[in-house]
Amino acid sequence: DGGITQSPKYLFRKEGQNVTLSCEQNLNHDAMYWYRQDPGQGLRLIYYSQIVNDFQKGDIAEGYSVSREKKESFPLTVTSAQKNPTAFYLCASAEGGDQPQHFGDGTRLSIL
Amino acid sequence: AQSVTQLDSQVPVFEEAPVELRCNYSSSVSVYLFWYVQYPNQGLQLLLKYLSGSTLVESINGFEAEFNKSQTSFHLRKPSVHISDTAEYFCAVRGNNAGNMLTFGGGTRLMVKP
Repeated sequence: DGGITQSPKYLFRKEGQNVTLSCEQNLNHDAMYWYRQDPGQGLRLIYYSQIVNDFQKGDIAEGYSVSREKKESFPLTVTSAQKNPTAFYLCASAEGGDQPQHFGDGTRLSIL
Repeated sequence: AQSVTQLDSQVPVFEEAPVELRCNYSSSVSVYLFWYVQYPNQGLQLLLKYLSGSTLVESINGFEAEFNKSQTSFHLRKPSVHISDTAEYFCAVRGNNAGNMLTFGGGTRLMVKP
């Protein structure tokens, strides 16, 4: 079945550590997105990529980095510069045009 | 730029009662509108969408939403809710000239009580 796989489901970060969240899709979608979800704040866009080897900052990119070396993969690194990383992170992809975004099941990141 | 306001953060309702989850948006261009549902510790699932055509759109599980351009609203309704409808619901909007960028509302937690 086609879909979006996020791993791990739960992740713990130590102070000063960088961690990388994985997002893989086999839907052959060109566009991919990373969102951060905090209680009561909906989803906020961190980074997005509309094509391989290209990505743009979203509304809250500070303290995060991404890469898009392959169409199916869009990993997100939460760097030590992100001072409040505890949140639920969601990856999404879309075919483009007026098609809706499809979401993975998320990664919950916590601080040790 | 677009913005989305979901007026109610929580909506408690008894099983088999009707429910309406409100969504208002602002945009300087024509928009596409979406409702997503999120169950605990899961991602978002598309519930229904308005792209063009009929302003009343329906989902397979009994929800419907009506696009009202004059009131800039896209309220979600269900005539009779089930316990299994307990979840968080997100309204989202995208300008039709944007790169598929969605703007989300803050979400409404629907709590169905027996």
